[in-house]
Amino acid sequence: GEDVEQSLFLSVREGDSSVINCTYTDSSSTYLYWYKQEPGAGLQLLTYIFSNMDMKQDQRLTVLLNKKDKHLSLRIADTQTGDSAIYFCAERGPGTASKLTFGTGTRLQVTL
Amino acid sequence: NAGVTQTPKFQVLKTGQSMTLQCAQDMNHNSMYWYRQDPGMGLRLIYYSASEGTTDKGEVPNGYNVSRLNKREFSLRLESAAPSQTSVYFCASRGGRGYGYTFGSGTRLTVV
Repeated sequence: GEDVEQSLFLSVREGDSSVINCTYTDSSSTYLYWYKQEPGAGLQLLTYIFSNMDMKQDQRLTVLLNKKDKHLSLRIADTQTGDSAIYFCAERGPGTASKLTFGTGTRLQVTL
Repeated sequence: NAGVTQTPKFQVLKTGQSMTLQCAQDMNHNSMYWYRQDPGMGLRLIYYSASEGTTDKGEVPNGYNVSRLNKREFSLRLESAAPSQTSVYFCASRGGRGYGYTFGSGTRLTVV
């Protein structure tokens, strides 16, 4: 079955770049997603990338996809304290009824 | 738009009690999902409904039942609550940007 893996924790200084990594196993994934969860809240869709793309940039966010290695990353430029949260990657297989498979989440801590 | 609304936000149950978690979406999405979130385990799919009138088991369905009441509403029932069901429960619907999920704010359930 599908499996999505992430490291559990990342600490960065305010103003630095953060890079959160994710690996997945399903080679038929069509879309890959990054979600952000702040304390006590639900998951908020940050960005997504279609599987035939290598990179997508959205303001401070850059998503890189290496489909050969099944590796997805999220880079946050100029990381701020408000970026402290748990970040989940997720992949979706083909088909209209396909479900999202989520990673375990990476907790990003931003220090002053 | 309200998006996905879950009630209640918090609940404490005694072992053996039953309850229903309510979820409603106003985005005209066909597919709806129930997940549970536990520390270090990410999100695990309990049940989903690809369209009105259909429901299917996810990864961890034991101890739960669901009802897709209409296109808007998808409820999750615990018939006889157990301490292992202490968790945060999220409802989601699928549609919009990149066909990703929109999540509710969650129900924090404690079974004592």
